[in-house]
Amino acid sequence: KAGVTQTPRYLIKTRGQQVTLSCSPISGHRSVSWYQQTPGQGLQFLFEYFSETQRNKGNFPGRFSGRQFSNSRSEMNVSTLELGDSALYLCASSLEPRANEQFFGPGTRLTVL
Amino acid sequence: GQQLNQSPQSMFIQEGEDVSMNCTSSSIFNTWLWYKQDPGEGPVLLIALYKAGELTSNGRLTAQFGITRKDSFLNISASIPSDVGIYFCAGRESTDKLIFGTGTRLQVFP
Repeated sequence: KAGVTQTPRYLIKTRGQQVTLSCSPISGHRSVSWYQQTPGQGLQFLFEYFSETQRNKGNFPGRFSGRQFSNSRSEMNVSTLELGDSALYLCASSLEPRANEQFFGPGTRLTVL
Repeated sequence: GQQLNQSPQSMFIQEGEDVSMNCTSSSIFNTWLWYKQDPGEGPVLLIALYKAGELTSNGRLTAQFGITRKDSFLNISASIPSDVGIYFCAGRESTDKLIFGTGTRLQVFP
């Protein structure tokens, strides 16, 4: 079974631009969560989607948004990029929202210049 | 954002030594999880704990869910070079959100 895939793996943007990151969960998994990982703040929960609905949201500004499609694939979008948005963005999938077996993808490394 | 206090921040040990790390929180959690992250990869689940006082092993790894439900411990026995990586604890809130610890970076020398 293929693991969680994230595209692109690396991205360089400039301040003010917007970016869209994509996550394909493991086949059959319907819950997708997004996390931001930085050296200073560690792993921070962004949001969780299940059945195309946002189920949980972390403490991030409205510039961070996401969505989930009917095939469970998910995208997250960051608008008006700031330098502090440079981070590794990780996606994790699970069969259902409360499943403790969350499988993480390799992440997308975003650098904002 | 909310984080768990994880210690130590980093460890440099010799192959064969035992390792201990822990996480503490001001909040009560119903579930504690321990993950390992290798360079360039996402975290991988090592052990999940569901009840206060629970002690669970996975090979050379042993983790415990603290009685107060505000802490958890991970021990690695007889460390080997492939144990190198960053170890994270995570607690699941009543809202189902996962809160991660700050990480323990483990380096093992032959």
